[in-house]
Amino acid sequence: DTEVTQTPKHLVMGMTNKKSLKCEQHMGHRAMYWYKQKAKKPPELMFVYSYEKLSINESVPSRFSPECPNSSLLNLHLHALQPEDSALYLCASSRRTDLYGYTFGSGTRLTVV
Amino acid sequence: GNSVTQMEGPVTLSEEAFLTINCTYTATGYPSLFWYVQYPGEGLQLLLKATKADDKGSNKGFEATYRKETTSFHLEKGSVQVSDSAVYFCALIDQAGTALIFGKGTTLSVSS
Repeated sequence: DTEVTQTPKHLVMGMTNKKSLKCEQHMGHRAMYWYKQKAKKPPELMFVYSYEKLSINESVPSRFSPECPNSSLLNLHLHALQPEDSALYLCASSRRTDLYGYTFGSGTRLTVV
Repeated sequence: GNSVTQMEGPVTLSEEAFLTINCTYTATGYPSLFWYVQYPGEGLQLLLKATKADDKGSNKGFEATYRKETTSFHLEKGSVQVSDSAVYFCALIDQAGTALIFGKGTTLSVSS
């Protein structure tokens, strides 16, 4: 299995809702990442987990809450989002210190209404 | 800090034309360099990579050579197809392996 699977593919949520994005990989990778991508822009790093521990938080607002329950799963919990948070959310994984690149999922397209 | 600069698009070409997308980087030491491609409505796919100076990455007719002396990793393809229409991102990981850093992306549009 050489894939990163993200669910759901599309999500529409209101500003008072709570929802979660899910990411799963079975490649034995020990680092997992959340990126946010706005239209016509490059992906921006949000969080890095290394060996199930949060190692980087790029000053992301607390309405985004990551969780890594085990080495194969990564969640992003969403609460009280704003319309400007609408974007494509990409998950990626790599070997812990990987100079050979990341494997990306196909993303969750989030719309906040 | 580390950064990647790539040519602004859009790049518009006719089928079978030659493609070059320029990419230069700033980083300490010897980063690994990548080209990722993003087709409309999809996630990112690794197109090719090079992990040391003078390495040439290649895939699907695309090539890029890691040039330490000019800090460049330009993407080339000899004959583009309509199916190559996508956004191309140049990226690097520094030696510490901290995180993948992207350039701003170049949109390629190929017409028949």
